[in-house]
Amino acid sequence: AQSVTQLGSHVSVSEGALVLLRCNYSSSVPPYLFWYVQYPNQGLQLLLKYTTGATLVKGINGFEAEFKKSETSFHLTKPSAHMSDAAEYFCAVSPRPGSGNTGKLIFGQGTTLQVKP
Amino acid sequence: ETGVTQTPRHLVMGMTNKKSLKCEQHLGHNAMYWYKQSAKKPLELMFVYNFKEQTENNSVPSRFSPECPNSSHLFLHLHTLQPEDSALYLCASSQQLAGVNNEQFFGPGTRLTVL
Repeated sequence: AQSVTQLGSHVSVSEGALVLLRCNYSSSVPPYLFWYVQYPNQGLQLLLKYTTGATLVKGINGFEAEFKKSETSFHLTKPSAHMSDAAEYFCAVSPRPGSGNTGKLIFGQGTTLQVKP
Repeated sequence: ETGVTQTPRHLVMGMTNKKSLKCEQHLGHNAMYWYKQSAKKPLELMFVYNFKEQTENNSVPSRFSPECPNSSHLFLHLHTLQPEDSALYLCASSQQLAGVNNEQFFGPGTRLTVL
């Protein structure tokens, strides 16, 4: 069955430092890939998604993610963390049509990003 | 209103009460979802509707009863809940259930507390 793993439930960085949040998926056929962010007491907001084409995807708020098929990964990065980036981040996958399922999103456990001044 | 809205934002209810959560999407989407988000647990998909028809029920207890009168509205009727049902209930919608346009757009959620 399709699954997604986020390494590290809690990541702490200093303001201005590189942000790296890890996501790995398990499937023989690369799925569609998503990153969502959730600020306290709010719903999830789509940061970026990968479906096909260029493997480096740019999203909102300066975030980007790179799809690496050989590593079955879709890690999220931001060159310089800002205090406002503190939030919960969710990686999600969706099997491609024809994979024999409904294509609904499967979410990882989430990673809490703390940004220290 | 834009995006996905949910009302109420906060709800406190006793175990014998009956209440309903409302979700409305203003995006012209065809699929709608209910999720439960508990502290320190992953997002749990509860129900999926596509073109008003329920396509998925993830073994949700019958004390949760969804209703989808049209593609823009989704309700979650609650009765005789348990304290462990306290959580953030998120509604989402997507253009398609599957395919390249199946990214989901979420509402702000309803924070439910069952006493």
